Amino acid sequence: DVKVTQSSRYLVKRTGEKVFLECVQDMDHENMFWYRQDPGLGLRLIYFSYDVKMKEKGDIPEGYSVSREKKERFSLILESASTNQTSMYLCASSLRGGTGNTIYFGEGSWLTVV
Amino acid sequence: EDQVTQSPEALRLQEGESSSLNCSYTVSGLRGLFWYRQDPGKGPEFLFTLYSAGEEKEKERLKATLTKKESFLHITAPKPEDSATYLCAVQTSGTYKYIFGTGTRLKVLA
Repeated sequence: DVKVTQSSRYLVKRTGEKVFLECVQDMDHENMFWYRQDPGLGLRLIYFSYDVKMKEKGDIPEGYSVSREKKERFSLILESASTNQTSMYLCASSLRGGTGNTIYFGEGSWLTVV
Repeated sequence: EDQVTQSPEALRLQEGESSSLNCSYTVSGLRGLFWYRQDPGKGPEFLFTLYSAGEEKEKERLKATLTKKESFLHITAPKPEDSATYLCAVQTSGTYKYIFGTGTRLKVLA
């Protein structure tokens, strides 16, 4: 079975705190993604990584950064959390190249910034 | 512009009442179309991948079909446990990106 694991399911952080969301996949996938999902707005891509130490901005990268030091691990960092970053964050992974590659998701991390 | 549209936004069915969910897409080139089920508070769970027009995939009460413009998720004799949001996504040629629809919220009443 494919597995994308997000280490924290529920977090409550204070405005201005630095927040780390961790994600690990066990499928040897090259691509990893961070999305946020908000009611009425659907899934929005924050950052994408296609290889170790490589990253590309998605549609809403402002206020976020990422780190990929190992192939299986992709971290999302909120440098200074703000209340408008309260959301569900989804990590995902997929193979690179070839025909359409199924993207697999983790269980999600619910972040509340107070 | 590449786009994915799902309809209806919400659907209420009686148990056993079969129906279909629609995913229309406008993309420059299709690498794959994907269906997911998402329960409240959880991440999307993979259901099907379709690659070319005419392809069909089945799993229990669900059947996904694909044409050059749209995909259908047919639900036969649904049960209350089929209640969830169903998401459709496409991957376009020459890109890593996945374009998601906003989903159909399905409620199956006992």
